[in-house]
Amino acid sequence: GESVGLHLPTLSVQEGDNSIINCAYSNSASDYFIWYKQESGKGPQFIIDIRSNMDKRQGQRVTVLLNKTVKHLSLQIAATQPGDSAVYFCAENDSGYSTLTFGKGTMLLVSP
Amino acid sequence: KAGVTQTPRYLIKTRGQQVTLSCSPISGHRSVSWYQQTPGQGLQFLFEYFSETQRNKGNFPGRFSGRQFSNSRSEMNVSTLELGDSALYLCASSRGQGADGYTFGSGTRLTVV
Repeated sequence: GESVGLHLPTLSVQEGDNSIINCAYSNSASDYFIWYKQESGKGPQFIIDIRSNMDKRQGQRVTVLLNKTVKHLSLQIAATQPGDSAVYFCAENDSGYSTLTFGKGTMLLVSP
Repeated sequence: KAGVTQTPRYLIKTRGQQVTLSCSPISGHRSVSWYQQTPGQGLQFLFEYFSETQRNKGNFPGRFSGRQFSNSRSEMNVSTLELGDSALYLCASSRGQGADGYTFGSGTRLTVV
């Protein structure tokens, strides 16, 4: 099927490396942020989220950092594996609404 | 627990035709949102339905419409299809308060020829 990653910035890493994917968001009123992973032929899959009253949140092998001053999010993936290869999107939400605004996405390619 | 189900998975339509896509949300989720995904524009919000009412709408022409039924299932319709409507159409459901529990389906791949 057609790839969603044809026009995306790409991050290429070796298996076992740590990966950092960055995202700038636009709405100062956004108070909830989510990172999604999308594999070919599938819908976006939730990875981790963070609310605006936090600067950092950790999950299993993943960490999200939030810098509200410069409206910047990052997703850190530790010990990246080939199965992590996918397109990663950040999304912002104003909790008064049930809609998400997505960033453009980054394609992560992990070489064995 | 069943996820968000979208049907059909793939569609091929001719310019000028109309199409209806279906989305069944997670049980208990009352909000259904639709997104269009293209390589050039990324994921763009179409509209959101909550309790059978359109609650939010994105910046798309009136050819794009939707509705929600009393069981929270939703349909979206695109009339007078154009080549540029070719995209992956994604549906997401949530409880309806903010984006907590937001879950996407696998999408419907629409190709307009």
